[in-house]
Amino acid sequence: GDSVTQMEGPVTLSEEAFLTINCTYTATGYPSLFWYVQYPGEGLQLLLKATKADDKGSNKGFEATYRKETTSFHLEKGSVQVSDSAVYFCALSEQQGAQKLVFGQGTRLTINP
Amino acid sequence: GAGVSQSPSNKVTEKGKDVELRCDPISGHTALYWYRQSLGQGLEFLIYFQGNSAPDKSGLPSDRFSAERTGGSVSTLTIQRTQQEDSAVYLCASSWGLGDGYTFGSGTRLTVV
Repeated sequence: GDSVTQMEGPVTLSEEAFLTINCTYTATGYPSLFWYVQYPGEGLQLLLKATKADDKGSNKGFEATYRKETTSFHLEKGSVQVSDSAVYFCALSEQQGAQKLVFGQGTRLTINP
Repeated sequence: GAGVSQSPSNKVTEKGKDVELRCDPISGHTALYWYRQSLGQGLEFLIYFQGNSAPDKSGLPSDRFSAERTGGSVSTLTIQRTQQEDSAVYLCASSWGLGDGYTFGSGTRLTVV
């Protein structure tokens, strides 16, 4: 079945550092790809998405590009802030049936001032 | 409503008791999903509703778990004879249709003691 593999955490960075969280996927067909974020004590929020190859999703300074050739959707941000501390989940939307989201394990990110 | 509402936000129950978890999706969202997030784990799909029918129940862990949706709106997840391994955060999400990013509720944290 479809699956998502994320870079293991936790990840700890200093404020203004460059962030990359790796995400690769295995899927039949061409799924849509998503990044969700879960801030402490809150529910999951959609951060960005891309629906086809070479699309770039972006939001709040975060970016991710749908790379079909490497089956990847790495999350990047040029300069992180303390407020970016959260758990980040990469996900794909199945192309069959319920088209449910399949999630990676999540990566906990902590930004120190 | 403005968002996906789940109740209760926290539930502590004794082993062997039955529990009901409620989800109020965003008005007009036809697709509704239940997921489970266990400590240190990713998100595990439980069941999907399209309208009032559940075409995909493949993630329900056992026959102690059931769910229904009425009026194309509110959904209830019922766990009978709860076990300690049922302790987790149960998340509900809704969307306009297949393949869209979801909107998640804040979840119900279930603790079985």
